[in-house]
Amino acid sequence: AQTVTQSQPEMSVQEAETVTLSCTYDTSESDYYLFWYKQPPSRQMILVIRQEAYKQQNATENRFSVNFQKAAKSFSLKISDSQLGDAAMYFCAYRSATGALDDKIIFGKGTRLHILP
Amino acid sequence: EAQVTQNPRYLITVTGKKLTVTCSQNMNHEYMSWYRQDPGLGLRQIYYSMNVEVTDKGDVPEGYKVSRKEKRNFPLILESPSPNQTSLYFCASSQGLALYNEQFFGPGTRLTVL
Repeated sequence: AQTVTQSQPEMSVQEAETVTLSCTYDTSESDYYLFWYKQPPSRQMILVIRQEAYKQQNATENRFSVNFQKAAKSFSLKISDSQLGDAAMYFCAYRSATGALDDKIIFGKGTRLHILP
Repeated sequence: EAQVTQNPRYLITVTGKKLTVTCSQNMNHEYMSWYRQDPGLGLRQIYYSMNVEVTDKGDVPEGYKVSRKEKRNFPLILESPSPNQTSLYFCASSQGLALYNEQFFGPGTRLTVL
């Protein structure tokens, strides 16, 4: 079974600095998708960025980028120029790409990010 | 506006009193799912549905029921709630036939069972 591990329960970063959240996963599959979701204090779950495993190029969305290391099964999220609005719980998630409708999304336990003014 | 709605947003109840949390999406999504979120455990899937009248258990289905009579609605039913079901619940939907899809989450329901 696939697992997703976020080893940092909490992190803090100074406003305008860069921070990296780590995520590792375990799978025997060769094709899958990886996601980072953000959950601000409003509790809404918001997709931040996603990566297809077959793509070597790291995904980027404005100030958010990932470092995808397929061999190491690592999928870290880098937030550049941190802003107060980035304070949230961040979840790493994995989804199989078998094509079955019941492919589950598996979430890590989350990393709470604090932004220090 | 494309969205997933849940009701109620907050609920305090007592042990054994049946309750239903509603979930509705307006995006014509086939796939819908319920999660519970507990501190230190992340999100765990309770039940999911691939289409109307098709539901299946997730990782933590005990004590819950669901139904999918219409495509847009996917209610979560607790027949006899217990304190260990106190949690934050999320409903989510996605276009199930697309692999590279995003799950759209509802705003969450904070349930307390006394």
